[in-house]
Order: sequence, then structure tokens, then C-alpha cells
Amino acid sequence: DVKVTQSSRYLVKRTGEKVFLECVQDMDHENMFWYRQDPGLGLRLIYFSYDVKMKEKGDIPEGYSVSREKKERFSLILESASTNQTSMYLCASLQDGSYEQYFGPGTRLTVT
Amino acid sequence: GENVEQHPSTLSVQEGDSAVIKCTYSDSASNYFPWYKQELGKGPQLIIDIRSNVGEKKDQRIAVTLNKTAKHFSLHITETQPEDSAVYFCAASIRYSSASKIIFGSGTRLSIRP
Repeated sequence: DVKVTQSSRYLVKRTGEKVFLECVQDMDHENMFWYRQDPGLGLRLIYFSYDVKMKEKGDIPEGYSVSREKKERFSLILESASTNQTSMYLCASLQDGSYEQYFGPGTRLTVT
Repeated sequence: GENVEQHPSTLSVQEGDSAVIKCTYSDSASNYFPWYKQELGKGPQLIIDIRSNVGEKKDQRIAVTLNKTAKHFSLHITETQPEDSAVYFCAASIRYSSASKIIFGSGTRLSIRP
């Protein structure tokens, strides 16, 4: 069964902290994605990766960076968290040649 | 770039009635249109999709229609049940070589009244 897991369901951080969100998939998918979900805005793509050590900016990359050292793991990094980064963060993976993205359960991040 | 608009943002229907969610897209190169359902506390999950060479697709109580000329596509749920209550997202995708980029609509919160 396909599985995408995210390290935390809920996270509370202070302004200025460095935050790591981890995502792991067990399907050997080549492509991985980070989205943020906000009411009325849907899912917006932050970064994606189509291979180990490869990354591409999505639509809203400002304030974020990513790391993909291993195929199964894709990390989202907030270098200096700000209150406007309070949101739900969703990770997804996609197999090459396929269309269906598989999502993790999400991490609700609150920055105070 | 691609833009996907989704309406309505909230929808409440009586159990047993039908629900329709509509989306429009801007990029005529889009060739794949998935619909995702997000239940409370979970990530979105694909429920049905349609490719650009097909006008309609049905899977039990759900159906999708696509009008490429008008750049419209819709989700139809018939005989709604309480478990249909969720947030639904439409999306449009353009395929680039081995990967595809998906643009999501803003979501529709569907509530089924008992």
C-alpha cells in the first residue's frame, strides 16, 4: 500500500526559529513535492524534486528551501520562521510516467 | 502560467441529492484534470481523473465532464451520502517530459445534510 508520512502532525515554533519538515515515501517514487494549504487559496506548490539532489522552485518558494539527499526523503526548511508561514504543509510523491500524486497527512505549523 | 478557478467555495446539499462543483482553467496545453477529496485530518486523495481526449468519465456515483473548447470541467456526485462530506479540489496538469506540474483550484467544502 502506498504510503507518504510526515514527521509531525502539529508543530508550534517561534518567529526566527529554523524549522525542518520531513517527508518520507515508501513507493520508490522519483518525484516529490511540498505544498502549503491555506483557506480559500487551495494548494500552492513551494518546491518539487524530480531526482535525488535535484530541486525546482514552485510558485511560492520565498522563505523556504528544500533538501533531497535520499530518494525516499524530501525535507522542507524554513530558515527563519515568520508568522505568515503559519499554514498546513502537505508533502506528495509521484512516480515517473504517472499522473497520480500521493499525499501525506499534512503538518499544521503555527509560528508565534 | 496556468490558473484554475473553482466554484463554489462551500456547498451544502440534502442527503440523496446531487452535488456539482465547477472549475475553469486558463492554459489550453493542460491535458490532465484530476479531482482530489480531502477528509478531515487527512491529505488529499485522488478520486477520479479525466484526460484531454475524453469528454466524460464515470465511476459509480461520481462523474467528471470536460469541455476543452470552453476550458471547463466539472465534478458530479449523485445520491450523496454523509461520507461525501469533505473538501474537494480540482486541478489541471501539464506534462513536462517525465514529470507533470499540477495547479490546484481553491477547494470546495461539501457538506451533506442528513
